[in-house]
Amino acid sequence: DSGVTQTPKHLITATGQRVTLRCSPRSGDLSVYWYQQSLDQGLQFLIHYYNGEERAKGNILERFSAQQFPDLHSELNLSSLELGDSALYFCASSKTGTGSEKLFFGSGTQLSVL
Amino acid sequence: DQQVKQNSPSLSVQEGRISILNCDYTNSMFDYFLWYKKYPAEGPTFLISISSIKDKNEDGRFTVFLNKSAKHLSLHIVPSQPGDSAVYFCAATGGAGSARQLTFGSGTQLTVLP
Repeated sequence: DSGVTQTPKHLITATGQRVTLRCSPRSGDLSVYWYQQSLDQGLQFLIHYYNGEERAKGNILERFSAQQFPDLHSELNLSSLELGDSALYFCASSKTGTGSEKLFFGSGTQLSVL
Repeated sequence: DQQVKQNSPSLSVQEGRISILNCDYTNSMFDYFLWYKKYPAEGPTFLISISSIKDKNEDGRFTVFLNKSAKHLSLHIVPSQPGDSAVYFCAATGGAGSARQLTFGSGTQLTVLP
């Protein structure tokens, strides 16, 4: 158990809809990262938050947004969903977010857009 | 633009033999490299890392080798065990500040045959 909690584990929805994925980091970790893993693809970095503030953006679509709340949990919002958004979405956390420390991953949310 | 490449999607090895997983990178700014292991229905877990100031790092049965001139790293598992069967991701980071995000390869599925 990594200590990172992601909910829900599975999500099935239709095109055009909006969903919210939730992540609770490990106790004491200030940084939260979101990654997307599509079929046969590596983990694509989406966004990084540190202590409530956006630190870096990766290949995140404009239809996607995220935030980190004062209690340090984070939410990833995906809107106007398309079939191609079907993927496994991982959240990870670390203490400082310096980029030279290991990340602890949750077990992911499997999103299926039908 | 794939900055971290794992060209072998899969690898099968007999139990007790050596497993060698390879990874190539293109970004000369990368200075820290990690390997993660992923079992089905779980998030990736950290396995071993190496800084660019070293060319080898060992942890039990796992050794990572870094060849900076060739922009190549490899993970050796000796001896391989059936429990090592998983997807292995290579990751790299470098640069300053917010640029220090992990870039992952597409993964190699290792199967250790009993």
